[in-house]
Amino acid sequence: EVQLVESGGGLVQPGGSLRLSCAASGFTFNKYSMNWVRQAPGKGLEWVSYISSSSSTIYYADSVKGRFTISRDNAKNSLYLQMNSLRDEDTAVYYCARMGYYGGNDYWGQGTLVTVSS
Amino acid sequence: DIQMTQSPSSLSASVGDRVTITCRASQGISNNLAWFQQKPGKAPKSLIYAASSLQSGVPSKFSGSGSGTDFTLTISSLQPEDFATYYCQQYSTYPRTFGQGTKVEIK
Repeated sequence: EVQLVESGGGLVQPGGSLRLSCAASGFTFNKYSMNWVRQAPGKGLEWVSYISSSSSTIYYADSVKGRFTISRDNAKNSLYLQMNSLRDEDTAVYYCARMGYYGGNDYWGQGTLVTVSS
Repeated sequence: DIQMTQSPSSLSASVGDRVTITCRASQGISNNLAWFQQKPGKAPKSLIYAASSLQSGVPSKFSGSGSGTDFTLTISSLQPEDFATYYCQQYSTYPRTFGQGTKVEIK
């Protein structure tokens, strides 16, 4: 069974940093690309970042470019999102999602809440 | 960026109704379109990919169609467990973009 479990969320002040983790199991992690997607309270879904299976290709949404860094450790079956210079508008539930062979997300984690507030 | 526009934003329907949600892309995306279902407090669940292919385990009451810029998601006979918010997403290019969501409520 495919499982994705996010952790690392919490309350942080504006300008602060946080590192999210996503532990993957139930599939061969090093064969799949991964995405982070977020959802602000009461709002829709927003794609945040993409990383290929070998980490050779990475993309970011303009809203987080230069502040967030996506990475992965295939030996540990883990995906990460380092978030720096956090802003109020980064407050959201952050989901990690596996990219299926066809290019879209097929499995999602349960999400971790990040709250940026003073 | 490709803009995805869903309609309606919300709808009220009764159990047993046939429901159709539309999604329009601001430029052609071939069939690189997915549909997700999200219930309150839960993660999105993948329903359909490649515009019309059902994800494994998803009941056949869900169907998708379309190509290019215009797409539809149809629920053939609405059941209580189907009341949720539905999102379309294009995966033709980066940045990936979602529709704003369609909330399906009980009439």
